[in-house]
Amino acid sequence: GAGVSQSPSNKVTEKGKDVELRCDPISGHTALYWYRQSLGQGLEFLIYFQGNSAPDKSGLPSDRFSAERTGGSVSTLTIQRTQQEDSAVYLCASSLVSGGAGGEQYFGPGTRLTVT
Amino acid sequence: GIQVEQSPPDLILQEGANSTLRCNFSDSVNNLQWFHQNPWGQLINLFYIPSGTKQNGRLSATTVATERYSLLYISSSQTTDSGVYFCAVGGSQGNLIFGKGTKLSVKP
Repeated sequence: GAGVSQSPSNKVTEKGKDVELRCDPISGHTALYWYRQSLGQGLEFLIYFQGNSAPDKSGLPSDRFSAERTGGSVSTLTIQRTQQEDSAVYLCASSLVSGGAGGEQYFGPGTRLTVT
Repeated sequence: GIQVEQSPPDLILQEGANSTLRCNFSDSVNNLQWFHQNPWGQLINLFYIPSGTKQNGRLSATTVATERYSLLYISSSQTTDSGVYFCAVGGSQGNLIFGKGTKLSVKP
């Protein structure tokens, strides 16, 4: 079946602009995660959705970052007033089992964000 | 929070050689995964192995949960095995906590 998909694959934006990144999880997966990968910080967790429950936002680096998940499926990560330090690859993952039970996570190809 | 340490950070092999990658973690976990990140950045699932031993072709993995470590074995390495190998363990909310990775280069 289809894996996790993300769009766009690449995004170049000017400092101060807002951007939206999209993630389509594997069909039937209830848990969805956002991570980012940057040279200085490695792979770090941003936010977690379990079904229609309120998300765990504990990993978001600032209040310029927000995310939503509509209908328990597609998710959008929004970065407002982008800064150069936001440049990174943003990865989305989904899993069948809820986070506390430790389900296997599958990753999308990522969105490479460059802030100029 | 949980700390994940991978070793070695870099590894250069001749094609056909075997290798062992190690992952140490600082607390008990209910999820441990090994990934291969290919040159295009895609994270490929290798093993979901919170405990025990699994094998898939030339790759195998063992996790000893009570001693808080996992090993990834690569036998008869090929140039296509090159890339970065990540170990990741499950945090309290189920999010993965990644090590810094082992960069493997296999020379023909």
